[in-house]
Amino acid sequence: DVKVTQSSRYLVKRTGEKVFLECVQDMDHENMFWYRQDPGLGLRLIYFSYDVKMKEKGDIPEGYSVSREKKERFSLILESASTNQTSMYLCASRGPEGRLVNTEAFFGQGTRLTVV
Amino acid sequence: AQKITQTQPGMFVQEKEAVTLDCTYDTSDPSYGLFWYKQPSSGEMIFLIYQGSYDQQNATEGRYSLNFQKARKSANLVISASQLGDSAMYFCAMRENAGNMLTFGGGTRLMVKP
Repeated sequence: DVKVTQSSRYLVKRTGEKVFLECVQDMDHENMFWYRQDPGLGLRLIYFSYDVKMKEKGDIPEGYSVSREKKERFSLILESASTNQTSMYLCASRGPEGRLVNTEAFFGQGTRLTVV
Repeated sequence: AQKITQTQPGMFVQEKEAVTLDCTYDTSDPSYGLFWYKQPSSGEMIFLIYQGSYDQQNATEGRYSLNFQKARKSANLVISASQLGDSAMYFCAMRENAGNMLTFGGGTRLMVKP
């Protein structure tokens, strides 16, 4: 089974702190994604990466950065946490692109971040 | 503009009855895929079913089926014989051939009554 593991289930951080959310996948997937989930808004894409050291902005990248130094690991960084970044963060990975679009994404268990 | 719309924030269904969760989408890409995910209270996202834009038949996976109406741009999830364990958030998502990412709707919270 594909496994996507996020380093923490719950985090509480102070405003202004630098926060690292880590995600590791064990299926050698090229593509990895960070989403945030808020009630009524569904999941919104923050950043994604299609290869080591490659990254692209999603719909809401402001206030976030990412790092992908190794294929299996994709980190989300909040440079200076703010209260409006309190949310559930979900990491996902997906296998290689093909001609079809039917490759599903596999998700981690989520990290609920509270910024106080 | 919203690419994926789920108009039902919450729904109740009686155990053992069928329920339909609505999803409409917007794309100009002729090649796309539609996905449904389930999120129980534990938080993980569980893939349920996939429908491709060129698929001739509606997708089915056990008790899940997808009512795909391409002209209306709708991809409703039908759950037959609801079980208590079906209580969860359900998300519809789309991936366009031109893109690399899944775009999600706002979700529907389904509650199954005993």
